[in-house]
Amino acid sequence: QSALTQPASVSGSPGQSITISCTGTSSDVGAYNYVSWYQQHPGKAPKLMIYDVSNRPSEISNRFSGSKSGNTASLTISGLQAEDEADYYCSSYTSSTTGVFGGGTRLTVL
Amino acid sequence: EVQLVESGGGLVQPGGSLKLSCVASGFTFSDSALHWVRQGSGKGLEWVGHVRSKANNYATSYAASVRGRCTISRDDSKNTAYLQMNSLKTEDTAVYYCTRLRRPFATWGMDIWGQGTTVTVSS
Repeated sequence: QSALTQPASVSGSPGQSITISCTGTSSDVGAYNYVSWYQQHPGKAPKLMIYDVSNRPSEISNRFSGSKSGNTASLTISGLQAEDEADYYCSSYTSSTTGVFGGGTRLTVL
Repeated sequence: EVQLVESGGGLVQPGGSLKLSCVASGFTFSDSALHWVRQGSGKGLEWVGHVRSKANNYATSYAASVRGRCTISRDDSKNTAYLQMNSLKTEDTAVYYCTRLRRPFATWGMDIWGQGTTVTVSS
């Protein structure tokens, strides 16, 4: 199972919006609506931001949203804030009943 | 407080074995699927495998990179999950996280993560 493809880095200024893509295959991202997104700050454990493509845990800001089209999922962060600077990982359930993560995207808030 | 606490990491020689533990508290452990995820230094997250609940027959699944070398198990009476790793390779060096599937009958999405335990495979 190959890792999902994410851009290595994205950046944006405070208040702007950014989108991180996550490309898989018809055996993972494209097969199910079971894509999740995680935020990880340096030295910390990952934190669930989005599950099942577009659902947010109750404690997550509505500035974070998710979507999917075909084999590509996306995470959009609107109204960028300094605290959003972190690594972001997508993840998907697969048709082999396994899981797979993306390579990660470093978000820099300029 | 809902939490997961991993232990058992350390330094092991290539070809050796190690058993990691993950103790849960603050939620109904027996209803939850438990996953292991690892992260090499400066690298991304890699899903290792999972063990489902008794309601799902304690089914397990593993990443291809560890299949045949790793076994995930659980003891619901101790609120503990385990990752037994054999025939360790240098590329298994990583921080290993234990994490919980967000709801008992969800399919994906892990909401509670431990702090991680470090495994170093080196001679």
